[in-house]
Amino acid sequence: GAVVSQHPSRVICKSGTSVKIECRSLDFQATTMFWYRQFPKKSLMLMATSNEGSKATYEQGVEKDKFLINHASLTLSTLTVTSAHPEDSSFYICSASFDGLTETQYFGPGTRLLVL
Amino acid sequence: DQQVKQNSPSLSVQEGRISILNCDYTNSMFDYFLWYKKYPAEGPTFLISISSIKDKNEDGRFTVFLNKSAKHLSLHIVPSQPGDSAVYFCAAEEGGSEKLVFGKGTKLTVNP
Repeated sequence: GAVVSQHPSRVICKSGTSVKIECRSLDFQATTMFWYRQFPKKSLMLMATSNEGSKATYEQGVEKDKFLINHASLTLSTLTVTSAHPEDSSFYICSASFDGLTETQYFGPGTRLLVL
Repeated sequence: DQQVKQNSPSLSVQEGRISILNCDYTNSMFDYFLWYKKYPAEGPTFLISISSIKDKNEDGRFTVFLNKSAKHLSLHIVPSQPGDSAVYFCAAEEGGSEKLVFGKGTKLTVNP
């Protein structure tokens, strides 16, 4: 149980285009979803926290107009990287929580974004 | 199909004693393993890692042991401190893919 999927698993795009990444909780309702960016040496940076039906809460230093997050339903959150640049190339990982507590999170498999 | 499993959702330990967090994996192609520590309202922070060519890696109070034949790794914290109370995630990487597969976490509580 508590499976989280991400789509696509990898995407290559041209600089200046926008890319949408989906995060789905397959067998539970996720009241809260989290988006992370994976940096070299495996460090994870929390980008934002989204609750279903409300605006996402972004961490300091994360551009909300560049990384658009929508949590339209209890099973789906999307991250759109707008006007992507090569420096946005990274692994983006989502996680989901069904009990509203940030302690219990189920991670998705990640999406590898490569911006050319 | 869960490739990385942390079968204990929670663990409670007395301060000063040893904490042992366990992780099992099924994919024999995993060759790099990591432990992350996560406090509430924060993202996971990297704690310690181990390559499959080793069976032990130590960093201060934290030691990770890897048993490849059993596809099992464990994180030992000794002595445990109340500040170690957090959720610990085990993760594995396959062959330099950079893609991490996470377990579901174990919540450690260290009681004073």
